[in-house]
Amino acid sequence: GESVGLHLPTLSVQEGDNSIINCAYSNSASDYFIWYKQESGKGPQFIIDIRSNMDKRQGQRVTVLLNKTVKHLSLQIAATQPGDSAVYFCAERTTRRTNAGKSTFGDGTTLTVKP
Amino acid sequence: EPEVTQTPSHQVTQMGQEVILRCVPISNHLYFYWYRQILGQKVEFLVSFYNNEISEKSEIFDDQFSVERPDGSNFTLKIRSTKLEDSAMYFCASSLDSGYGYTFGSGTRLTVV
Repeated sequence: GESVGLHLPTLSVQEGDNSIINCAYSNSASDYFIWYKQESGKGPQFIIDIRSNMDKRQGQRVTVLLNKTVKHLSLQIAATQPGDSAVYFCAERTTRRTNAGKSTFGDGTTLTVKP
Repeated sequence: EPEVTQTPSHQVTQMGQEVILRCVPISNHLYFYWYRQILGQKVEFLVSFYNNEISEKSEIFDDQFSVERPDGSNFTLKIRSTKLEDSAMYFCASSLDSGYGYTFGSGTRLTVV
């Protein structure tokens, strides 16, 4: 079956440093990957996505890297701020399947930003 | 910014009772989902809904669960006879297309006692 995993359940960084959160997936058919941020008591919030025909995508202070060879993706957050403290989930999807749109989520990495 | 609205935010129910969790997805979205998250664990897929029918469901989504889109705006999840292990946060989500990220609601915390 499908599984999506993150390498570290927790990550603690100093404010202003860069953060890197990693994720591994197992489904070779996955062609769409999303990072979500979940703050305490809230639903997951879309951060950035990447499709399998790309290996890098940049947003505002965030970059997602995809390595399909080793089935790995990472989320890089530049100049991490206290407001970035949250749980980060990667999710994968196979869009070529039926009109399901189902995403499989990883376990989550809790990012703590120290002032 | 458009958002997905879920009600109630917290529901406490007795084991064996029926509950209905309500969601108002974003108005122009076509795909609707229910996910759940047991405290401290990952987000688990329950069901996806498109074109007025279930597209896919997980093994969690057994005969005790059902979904409905009774009108053009609401999307509901019903649990017929709740069990203690149904206690979780239930998130509704919607997306414009199956190839896009979701917008999640803030969730309903269901506590079965």
